Amino acid sequence: DTGVSQNPRHKITKRGQNVTFRCDPISEHNRLYWYRQTLGQGPEFLTYFQNEAQLEKSRLLSDRFSAERPKGSFSTLEIQRTEQGDSAMYLCASSPGQGITGELFFGEGSRLTVL
Amino acid sequence: DQQVKQNSPSLSVQEGRISILNCDYTNSMFDYFLWYKKYPAEGPTFLISISSIKDKNEDGRFTVFLNKSAKHLSLHIVPSQPGDSAVYFCAASEFSRGNEKLTFGTGTRLTIIP
Repeated sequence: DTGVSQNPRHKITKRGQNVTFRCDPISEHNRLYWYRQTLGQGPEFLTYFQNEAQLEKSRLLSDRFSAERPKGSFSTLEIQRTEQGDSAMYLCASSPGQGITGELFFGEGSRLTVL
Repeated sequence: DQQVKQNSPSLSVQEGRISILNCDYTNSMFDYFLWYKKYPAEGPTFLISISSIKDKNEDGRFTVFLNKSAKHLSLHIVPSQPGDSAVYFCAASEFSRGNEKLTFGTGTRLTIIP
């Protein structure tokens, strides 16, 4: 049983470049979540999907951020024109949905450093 | 607007003693509460949860207590072990409404002293 997988684990980029992160959820999990965590803070909700539908987006998700889950399986989070304030750990989580459990299963995260 | 608050950034406890981590929330719609544990460079891992219909849930060395009137929950770890050293996050959701989205506190770093 594989858990939530994220890659790359660490990305260093220069300001203004675009970056993309990928998340593979636990198979058969319908819901997929993206969170962001900065130093000294707890994870902050960004967006979530029910299958391929993006159902909620946080106001933290500026128009430079876009997330997709095209076939209801893996998801990508793209950040365009990165800024130093985007430096953070980007966490993906999945759940079976449908009220089965209130627990989210997290991946190990993708750390972004913007120089 | 911090809806889930962990007011102690850090806590040090002697090995074998009880560790008590606290969490307060402001959103009265929250009805499901969880504790996650996080090691450096890893994602959060689920530890224990409690529904608002209960006031206590126990799993081995871990017990979570919920006081709905005070909007307060706590995690008790007894006896504390060196492997418990980690950052602990309290989280909450409106699960009964079908909303699993978790709102997290800022975390408490627990250090167990051998």
